[in-house]
Amino acid sequence: GESVGLHLPTLSVQEGDNSIINCAYSNSASDYFIWYKQESGKGPQFIIDIRSNMDKRQGQRVTVLLNKTVKHLSLQIAATQPGDSAVYFCAEITNAGGTSYGKLTFGQGTILTVHP
Amino acid sequence: ETGVTQTPRHLVMGMTNKKSLKCEQHLGHNAMYWYKQSAKKPLELMFVYNFKEQTENNSVPSRFSPECPNSSHLFLHLHTLQPEDSALYLCASSQVMLAGGTDTQYFGPGTRLTVL
Repeated sequence: GESVGLHLPTLSVQEGDNSIINCAYSNSASDYFIWYKQESGKGPQFIIDIRSNMDKRQGQRVTVLLNKTVKHLSLQIAATQPGDSAVYFCAEITNAGGTSYGKLTFGQGTILTVHP
Repeated sequence: ETGVTQTPRHLVMGMTNKKSLKCEQHLGHNAMYWYKQSAKKPLELMFVYNFKEQTENNSVPSRFSPECPNSSHLFLHLHTLQPEDSALYLCASSQVMLAGGTDTQYFGPGTRLTVL
């Protein structure tokens, strides 16, 4: 079936370093991608999204890159801080699949640990 | 705060109990979702309500019964659960576009359910 997966289950970085979290997706019909951050005891929190007609989008300290050729998505966090420690999920939405709500599929998640 | 609230935040119940989880969204969205998050598994979509109508039941056992009285409230009624149903239950909402597809899903903090 369709799936969204993450290459690295854990990532440890030093405070101030840049972090890169990767994600592979398999549904070429997906047209919308989202990165979520989930801290312990909380629900997933929206970070940044990107449509399939774009290959890069920047937010505050975060950048998402989309490579449709190889079905790869990445999240770059600049100057990583201890407060960035969390589980990061990529998710894809396939709006063309016949469902009006858009089917959202999550990857397993990457644990980011930032050391002071 | 994401504009999606869930109560209770924690729930412990026996296998013969009946309980309900509540979700409320203050974002004016027209679609609501229930997800199950177990350890070491991706988020699993359980139910989707689109304009108060259930549009998807993702092969969920009948011991889970959703209810959506209006576009702002969503319930998950639980009865005769099993220990393997212990998990974090997340509610989300989004805006479904008239032309099809949906915008980002926003999540509540979840209810941590333990079934004894």
